[in-house]
Amino acid sequence: AQKVTQAQTEISVVEKEDVTLDCVYETRDTTYYLFWYKQPPSGELVFLIRRNSFDEQNEISGRYSWNFQKSTSSFNFTITASQVVDSAVYFCALSEAQTGANNLFFGTGTRLTVIP
Amino acid sequence: GAGVSQSPRYKVAKRGQDVALRCDPISGHVSLFWYQQALGQGPEFLTYFQNEAQLDKSGLPSDRFFAERPEGSVSTLKIQRTQQEDSAVYLCASSLVYSGESYNEQFFGPGTRLTVL
Repeated sequence: AQKVTQAQTEISVVEKEDVTLDCVYETRDTTYYLFWYKQPPSGELVFLIRRNSFDEQNEISGRYSWNFQKSTSSFNFTITASQVVDSAVYFCALSEAQTGANNLFFGTGTRLTVIP
Repeated sequence: GAGVSQSPRYKVAKRGQDVALRCDPISGHVSLFWYQQALGQGPEFLTYFQNEAQLDKSGLPSDRFFAERPEGSVSTLKIQRTQQEDSAVYLCASSLVYSGESYNEQFFGPGTRLTVL
């Protein structure tokens, strides 16, 4: 069963629009970590944020914000006032701490295109 | 400081050839991970090392895949008798350490794009 679901395969927005990328996860662990990574055309995965399962506070970092809701098993990512440089594939990922290995389970990604 | 490096960046192999992919983690990072990313998909876990010990190899798709990290730093992922379905980007990641409740981010390398003809 897919542990992380990113239902949006591709999204296109016009520059300066806000956009939200959805992520739904599935785990039986009580302790787990959620992540967002950005993969620009160069291919390297860039870490954006980590949240642990005990911290449901939303977080804002510049134009980026994250909404973590355990009740709906969602960890959504919003980019405010999008820019062309935001164009990339964004991955949501889950790490189940009980595995001990901390390997990440990734979703299939959402390709964001910001049109100038 | 230097990040995770991988070589080669691109590799083309004929079906049946053996290939070796190298990963240089960030200096001092204890944990090392290999992931496989097929076109249009998210990365999928292959194997995990803590120092030189391979603690989890549950993601390796077949016995043609073998990974090692003999001195606890550089790691090599070897694929024997490559098949077309092995074509993918192979990503390496390292993290400082995992200890109890603390968590350390995985830093990813640029990947090696393997194409099997």
